[in-house]
Amino acid sequence: NAGVTQTPKFRVLKTGQSMTLLCAQDMNHEYMYWYRQDPGMGLRLIHYSVGEGTTAKGEVPDGYNVSRLKKQNFLLGLESAAPSQTSVYFCASRASLPRTGELFFGEGSRLTVL
Amino acid sequence: AQKVTQAQTEISVVEKEDVTLDCVYETRDTTYYLFWYKQPPSGELVFLIRRNSFDEQNEISGRYSWNFQKSTSSFNFTITASQVVDSAVYFCALSGTNTGNQFYFGTGTSLTVIP
Repeated sequence: NAGVTQTPKFRVLKTGQSMTLLCAQDMNHEYMYWYRQDPGMGLRLIHYSVGEGTTAKGEVPDGYNVSRLKKQNFLLGLESAAPSQTSVYFCASRASLPRTGELFFGEGSRLTVL
Repeated sequence: AQKVTQAQTEISVVEKEDVTLDCVYETRDTTYYLFWYKQPPSGELVFLIRRNSFDEQNEISGRYSWNFQKSTSSFNFTITASQVVDSAVYFCALSGTNTGNQFYFGTGTSLTVIP
């Protein structure tokens, strides 16, 4: 049982390049999330989705786009990467019931923007 | 507003000492859930515990214990007889039933256990 899988694990980009992070979960969870983790900042929510075809903004959505075309996948896109987007990105998912069950996290994706 | 404060940025203890990690939260929800996660040096986030707002009983799991006090809006985490393997960053998080789609994380406490 893979749980939550993120690809790629590491990526180096140049400023202005674009890329997509893929998150896949095999637990049939309704809710999926993208967080970024920066030193001293904890985990900050970028975007989230409460079901297939739906997305919503979190705390720090600027510069990112997301799509949830399939229930099991949640994509995070950077259209024009900036050095401020250098971070570790975590995807998470949870079931819709109970309404506040715990989050299951992927292993993280380390992105460096030069 | 939902907010989680972990005032202790870094803590160092000598092995076998007890250590308490503080977590203070703010919420307007009457029903909410609190969580602790561990992030070891390898980087993954490991779920430790979930506690709902109606259950103020303290919980013990081996060397870990949690003290939930609604009166002080705190959900503190104690490690008894710390071990080197406890070295990690620990995050406290909050999710309310009115904002059940979102989790609010503290900034984390980095614990170093010195052998």
